[in-house]
Amino acid sequence: ETGVTQTPRHLVMGMTNKKSLKCEQHLGHNAMYWYKQSAKKPLELMFVYNFKEQTENNSVPSRFSPECPNSSHLFLHLHTLQPEDSALYLCASALGTASGTDTQYFGPGTRLTVL
Amino acid sequence: GDSVTQMEGPVTLSEEAFLTINCTYTATGYPSLFWYVQYPGEGLQLLLKATKADDKGSNKGFEATYRKETTSFHLEKGSVQVSDSAVYFCALSVPTQGGSEKLVFGKGTKLTVNP
Repeated sequence: ETGVTQTPRHLVMGMTNKKSLKCEQHLGHNAMYWYKQSAKKPLELMFVYNFKEQTENNSVPSRFSPECPNSSHLFLHLHTLQPEDSALYLCASALGTASGTDTQYFGPGTRLTVL
Repeated sequence: GDSVTQMEGPVTLSEEAFLTINCTYTATGYPSLFWYVQYPGEGLQLLLKATKADDKGSNKGFEATYRKETTSFHLEKGSVQVSDSAVYFCALSVPTQGGSEKLVFGKGTKLTVNP
């Protein structure tokens, strides 16, 4: 399998549930990203990892907990979410250089609905 | 701070019409500029990019030229097709503290092409 994959593609959860989103990239990249896409807001960067180290947390609430065990895998652990957290969660990867020419490649996203 | 402003739309065109989606940016330094496209139910796909002033990115009949003097990166296509119906995002890249880069997105422009 090539590119960036995300599972599950759709997820419905209650506010008291704990679930995890998974992202895997097969591009040999070192940087991985989580974005949130809500219906009426611009794409929001949530977290950045480079060489497995978290380098950016964009003031994300602690009910979202990322994990990056290696450069190919990225998880987003969810617990006690709110209905307003319902959104499309997109994962992306990139080489992880600050060359000014790095390109991010996106997965298909996980559509999350919080009841 | 760094930001991207693009025409919000929605834009509705007839097949074979000429398309322009305006994008302007504010940034320190000289970022790379991108257009991403999101088809219904999918993640973002890179459409084209330009990494320095006067560069022209092109792909699938779409073009955009990096204009430093007007801080713009307008997307154009001479003859749109029904299959071009999607949401288009303009973005710029900025470095992160961790040695990678992150994208700053515009709000997106929804394009509908009618037969």
